[in-house]
Formats: sequence, C-alpha cells, structure tokens
Amino acid sequence: DQQVKQNSPSLSVQEGRISILNCDYTNSMFDYFLWYKKYPAEGPTFLISISSIKDKNEDGRFTVFLNKSAKHLSLHIVPSQPGDSAVYFCAASEAYSNYQLIWGAGTKLIIKP
Amino acid sequence: NAGVTQTPKFRVLKTGQSMTLLCAQDMNHEYMYWYRQDPGMGLRLIHYSVGEGTTAKGEVPDGYNVSRLKKQNFLLGLESAAPSQTSVYFCASRAWDRVLFFHSNQPQHFGDGTRLSIL
Repeated sequence: DQQVKQNSPSLSVQEGRISILNCDYTNSMFDYFLWYKKYPAEGPTFLISISSIKDKNEDGRFTVFLNKSAKHLSLHIVPSQPGDSAVYFCAASEAYSNYQLIWGAGTKLIIKP
Repeated sequence: NAGVTQTPKFRVLKTGQSMTLLCAQDMNHEYMYWYRQDPGMGLRLIHYSVGEGTTAKGEVPDGYNVSRLKKQNFLLGLESAAPSQTSVYFCASRAWDRVLFFHSNQPQHFGDGTRLSIL
C-alpha cells in the first residue's frame, strides 16, 4: 500500500519549457512534504519542501504547490534546463513520526535540447 | 567537504555471508538513517538513529542490524545475506534543529550509495 505515489515513471520536456512533476498521497496525517533530486550513481539531494500550512513555496526556478483537499502536490521547474535531467522523488512525513520520510517511486525527468 | 561517505561502493556476496556497511558523516549531525532502494520503488527506511548509542527500527528492519557507537558513524550489518537483500543502500544524516510546526527544517543529506548483490 503505497502512501506516496508518483504515477509518471518518466517525463520528457523541451529545454526552456515548464516541467511539472506530480505526487499524490493517501495518508491525511502527512503534513510536511519534500522533493529530492537524484543523479545516477549519486545520493538524493534536497530540492525544496513545503509545510501543510502553506499551499505554495518558491525557490528560484522551483515551485512546489500543495492541494491538501486533493492530497496532491506538484513541482514546477521554470525554465527547464539540461542539468535538470534527473530522477525526482517526492517524500512526506507526519508530525511526531520522528521525522521519518515516506518516499514515492520517483519520476525520471528528461530535458530535450 | 566530504559530507556523508559510504563504504564500500560495491559488493557481491554469497547467500549466507555476513557483512557490514559503514556510513560516516563529518557534519556533526544527530540523526542518521539507512535506506534501501529497489527498482520501481521509493527509498524504504531500514533503521535510524536519533543520537549516539540509540537506534530504532524503520519500515523494513528484518534481516538487518545497526549500531551507532560514535556520533559520526552508523553501521548496517547483514548477519546472513539473502538474495532479497540485493539492493542499493543509502545512508543519510540530518541535524537536530529547533522544531518548527512539529518538523525540523533540516533536510536529510545522503551518501552516494552502496550497490550490494547477493548471489
């Protein structure tokens, strides 16, 4: 029973356009969400996070949107650059869980030149 | 600027053999984690530690043991390796921080992984 789902295994986007990666969750107790980026043969690196008290958080080219009623969050990358080609993981945690993260399966983003 | 270092990077074992994976961090972080990543799945937490001398079970702890004798090191042991433990193992660490809205604002920092094959 996957509590965090990334239904698109891969996504291909033209350089310069917007990339939108989606994540759905089932546990209504989740209240903190993170996105990580992973290159081959490397560990994941933190990208951006959002608390459930917000519906949007921006950091440069990256914006995360949270829709609590739909249990859905998305990561927008604008504009997309070749270096953005990587696997993106969505992760979630709930209060009092000792900060344990539940991870989605990842979406491989390919930026085409 | 080492961050989180995992040793070894690759290893092939035979069923029934034992081994220890080492994770070392130089950031003085309190929290450390061991995950495994399998194809088509997200990272799954094996064990974690909230400080030196303490460990706790994660989502998939069976078949693994851990120890945190020193703050900077977190060891993952396989006593009797099984083919189902073939995976990529990641270690992560995180600083303790002032809790904001029940969550730390400190992200987890990961090592580059250990690819383990059990034949």
